[in-house]
Amino acid sequence: EDQVTQSPEALRLQEGESSSLNCSYTVSGLRGLFWYRQDPGKGPEFLFTLYSAGEEKEKERLKATLTKKESFLHITAPKPEDSATYLCAVQAAGSARQLTFGSGTQLTVLP
Amino acid sequence: GAVVSQHPSWVICKSGTSVKIECRSLDFQATTMFWYRQFPKQSLMLMATSNEGSKATYEQGVEKDKFLINHASLTLSTLTVTSAHPEDSSFYICSARDRGQETQYFGPGTRLLVL
Repeated sequence: EDQVTQSPEALRLQEGESSSLNCSYTVSGLRGLFWYRQDPGKGPEFLFTLYSAGEEKEKERLKATLTKKESFLHITAPKPEDSATYLCAVQAAGSARQLTFGSGTQLTVLP
Repeated sequence: GAVVSQHPSWVICKSGTSVKIECRSLDFQATTMFWYRQFPKQSLMLMATSNEGSKATYEQGVEKDKFLINHASLTLSTLTVTSAHPEDSSFYICSARDRGQETQYFGPGTRLLVL
């Protein structure tokens, strides 16, 4: 059974204080790993897709990396508007394109 | 690009009534759409997968007669909660995947409150 574990559950940072969120996964053949951002009361917003170990993608203050067992979402010099829940999901090879989600990391950036 | 809409965004209904939620892909053709529900402080739980023109595939524990899914076109899928009860109150979110793509794009969600 595919499993995704995210840590920490919650993270409070001061504005400008860089940090990383972790996503550990167990999947029978990885087709893709996805990062989403979710604001309260809204649907997830797509951030990144990673397909193979060693791959990295960046968008503004966010950088996602992937190894064979985990992914990191690095946040550099965060701003209060980066406050949200960050969700990690995996898609297994051979699946019906379904995503298995982690429980998310709730990030709060204080001004 | 890759915009998914849902309607309504909020619905309040009485116990025993049925509620229909629409999910539309606005700028791409969605060969596959997914329906999730999310309880407060929890992650998304997949309810069903629907492919255009075929019957939906439901996850274990999801009642197919209670949650009716129709994917009649490449841009529209509907979820009907039949004979809704208070325990069906939740946040329902759809997602859509373009042909040949892996990424799912999510709608803004529909909050259902059954009184």
